[in-house]
Amino acid sequence: QQQVKQSPQSLIVQKGGISIINCAYENTAFDYFPWYQQFPGKGPALLIAIRPDVSEKKEGRFTISFNKSAKQFSLHIMDSQPGDSATYFCAARIGGADGLTFGKGTHLIIQP
Amino acid sequence: GAGVSQSPSNKVTEKGKDVELRCDPISGHTALYWYRQSLGQGLEFLIYFQGNSAPDKSGLPSDRFSAERTGGSVSTLTIQRTQQEDSAVYLCASTLARGTDTQYFGPGTRLTVL
Repeated sequence: QQQVKQSPQSLIVQKGGISIINCAYENTAFDYFPWYQQFPGKGPALLIAIRPDVSEKKEGRFTISFNKSAKQFSLHIMDSQPGDSATYFCAARIGGADGLTFGKGTHLIIQP
Repeated sequence: GAGVSQSPSNKVTEKGKDVELRCDPISGHTALYWYRQSLGQGLEFLIYFQGNSAPDKSGLPSDRFSAERTGGSVSTLTIQRTQQEDSAVYLCASTLARGTDTQYFGPGTRLTVL
């Protein structure tokens, strides 16, 4: 049972455009929702994270939008740059637990 | 250390052999996690350590998988009698303490079972 569903699997965006990646979850016990960025040959690195008590969090060009009632959250990358080309993973964690549950990832390509 | 380190970076083994994968967490981090990343899949949580104890082993896929941590630092993930389906990238992460949000990942060990 996949508890975090991520889409799309791959995404191509023109430089300067907005990249949008969506995730949906099933378990209402999740209380922490991070996004990780992974470059080839590297481990994932935390990009931005949100808790369900807020609907939006922005850090630079990266924004998480969170819809608790719909059990969905999304990552928006504004003014996308070729250096943003990477695989992005959404994740979720149950309060009191420790392991993260990850989506299957989105391979993002920013065309110059 | 500056970050989480893992060794070896690549491991090729024959079906049926045992393998050991090593993780050195960030100095001072008490919590350590192992994940498995299969081709085209997300990361799958395997096991978590707080200090030297592993309160949550629920993610280990079979009894061929085991892990230990000594001295509250280095951890070893052992896979016995490897199978082709064990081929994946094994990632280790650490956090300052249990409950700390940010998990810092190492570069992973790419395991190929022939």
